[in-house]
Amino acid sequence: SQELEQSPQSLIVQEGKNLTINCTSSKTLYGLYWYKQKYGEGLIFLMMLQKGGEEKSHEKITAKLDEKKQQSSLHITASQPSHAGIYLCGADSLLAGNNRKLIWGLGTSLAVNP
Amino acid sequence: NAGVTQTPKFQVLKTGQSMTLQCAQDMNHEYMSWYRQDPGMGLRLIHYSVGAGITDQGEVPNGYNVSRSTTEDFPLRLLSAAPSQTSVYFCASALTGELFFGEGSRLTVL
Repeated sequence: SQELEQSPQSLIVQEGKNLTINCTSSKTLYGLYWYKQKYGEGLIFLMMLQKGGEEKSHEKITAKLDEKKQQSSLHITASQPSHAGIYLCGADSLLAGNNRKLIWGLGTSLAVNP
Repeated sequence: NAGVTQTPKFQVLKTGQSMTLQCAQDMNHEYMSWYRQDPGMGLRLIHYSVGAGITDQGEVPNGYNVSRSTTEDFPLRLLSAAPSQTSVYFCASALTGELFFGEGSRLTVL
């Protein structure tokens, strides 16, 4: 089973609507990363969360990490076609110097209809 | 800065052929890694390196070799390509925080 579960798997929204993507683990997450991937391209870093209860925003995207550090959400307000793509969450599974082995969710595919 | 540069972007191989995917970064990052991305499987770590001269296996290392002779370069070698290695490959580097990804190399093995 996937160590990081993302939901929903795919999402189609009308332009202007709000949406939320979730990333859940049964283990404590030491660092949670959100990336966006446009189809056929590389991954673009969005935000990193480390502390329980932490919340960060950039333009119309807000990411939160719960107090237990086992669940994160990514919320997009007033979605636009430029928000379309695949959103991936990743997390540090080992906190030991530079021996970083990130674990990844399978991604959420977002389409925004104009 | 160019960031993380991968070459080639596309490659078609025949079963049994060998090739090297190149990865270079100009950010002086100690940590570099190679992932493969497959539908339904997500990103899987192949090999990683925490500095020049140091490499280690990830989740799916079989069929791949790496070396790290300089801080900047981290090539991935396929010694005898198999159809199961058809995938999109990403190189990523980091200092201490987030990973910086290359644009990917799409490999097809016939």
